[in-house]
Amino acid sequence: AQSVTQLGSHVSVSEGALVLLRCNYSSSVPPYLFWYVQYPNQGLQLLLKYTSAATLVKGINGFEAEFKKSETSFHLTKPSAHMSDAAEYFCAVSGNQGAQKLVFGQGTRLTINP
Amino acid sequence: DTGVSQDPRHKITKRGQNVTFRCDPISEHNRLYWYRQTLGQGPEFLTYFQNEAQLEKSRLLSDRFSAERPKGSFSTLEIQRTEQGDSAMYLCASSDVSTNEKLFFGSGTQLSVL
Repeated sequence: AQSVTQLGSHVSVSEGALVLLRCNYSSSVPPYLFWYVQYPNQGLQLLLKYTSAATLVKGINGFEAEFKKSETSFHLTKPSAHMSDAAEYFCAVSGNQGAQKLVFGQGTRLTINP
Repeated sequence: DTGVSQDPRHKITKRGQNVTFRCDPISEHNRLYWYRQTLGQGPEFLTYFQNEAQLEKSRLLSDRFSAERPKGSFSTLEIQRTEQGDSAMYLCASSDVSTNEKLFFGSGTQLSVL
């Protein structure tokens, strides 16, 4: 069984500040971990994924995430926030790389203050 | 590549009525997924197809829900005898080995049951 907990349903940062969105997972098998972003009226888009290769994963739009097995965490970061980063972010876990039966967290809404 | 399209974008129905949604995946993708997302929550897996075969269905899915993918291309999701608790965004996604199983999501169908 797998589950994901995203700490903080809303995060607000200033433009140019560090973005940190927290995700902790639980998995009975080696996990595959994902971050998706959802802009208003658009479909979910994959930001990045961890598939047991490198623990530091770089994604699109300057985002990256680090897999820490000891902490069961996969936090998402971006050094400098842009206004265009305002969106809903979802962390997800899967037990295999093939069929994408993903278990999603409840999401974190990111607001960027000018 | 025109992306994953879903129809309709919005559906309002009265309790007890049947509704059907359609999903057209990216044309060369052989896997198709249905997820459901309620307000303030992450998407929840419902079912998935590989070509025309329905390979997995969530145990949480009521028998009022049925999905088909008759020719391995588009898919339909039908809900019979709708209930207010069925109100949600229904998301479709597709993937293929060629995309390393990256999920491409449609914009969803928003169902409101009155």
